[in-house]
Amino acid sequence: SQQGEEDPQALSIQEGENATMNCSYKTSINNLQWYRQNSGRGLVHLILIRSNEREKHSGRLRVTLDTSKKSSSLLITASRAADTASYFCATDAWTALIFGKGTTLSVSS
Amino acid sequence: DAGVTQSPTHLIKTRGQQVTLRCSPISGHKSVSWYQQVLGQGPQFIFQYYEKEERGRGNFPDRFSARQFPNYSSELNVNALLLGDSALYLCASSHRDRSYEQYFGPGTRLTVT
Repeated sequence: SQQGEEDPQALSIQEGENATMNCSYKTSINNLQWYRQNSGRGLVHLILIRSNEREKHSGRLRVTLDTSKKSSSLLITASRAADTASYFCATDAWTALIFGKGTTLSVSS
Repeated sequence: DAGVTQSPTHLIKTRGQQVTLRCSPISGHKSVSWYQQVLGQGPQFIFQYYEKEERGRGNFPDRFSARQFPNYSSELNVNALLLGDSALYLCASSHRDRSYEQYFGPGTRLTVT
């Protein structure tokens, strides 16, 4: 079963614009992660935020976590064509990662 | 260092057949997990192995089985293939048996006809 739900399902923007995608989950978490997937290939780990953290940055990525609302957001600033991919949030259930359905981001030049 | 490797890259099988997928983890990683990703969905957890023992199992039928070898590589076996088994099968490795900080391979695309 899917733990997280990303919103929107699809997002189209121009290069240079910011992209924001959201994730909601159902149960308590220890941490939440974001992954990127290019063209149906392997997943690339982007960032992990722990349940006691509210915000985390990594390069052009900014992740927020609101445990009271069971939601997280991923902001990609100054988007590039190379950011075109599917983005997934994942929560951990001890040995398993539980993924949402993902947001497909398309960045056009 | 080499990342997680998987073989084969693509595979076409017929309903009822059996398939074996292979995964080599990152050097030094003792845990391997398997995920199934059908088109348009997020990956779904199948198994985790740590130190050659099964540590977790997702909601998949007994037709799915796996094992881990002394060198920490792993095989996923699927018997009596169904059309619905067509998917991208992803392998991930990590240092420990916890699920965070997993590193994924490129996947094996299985098509069942």
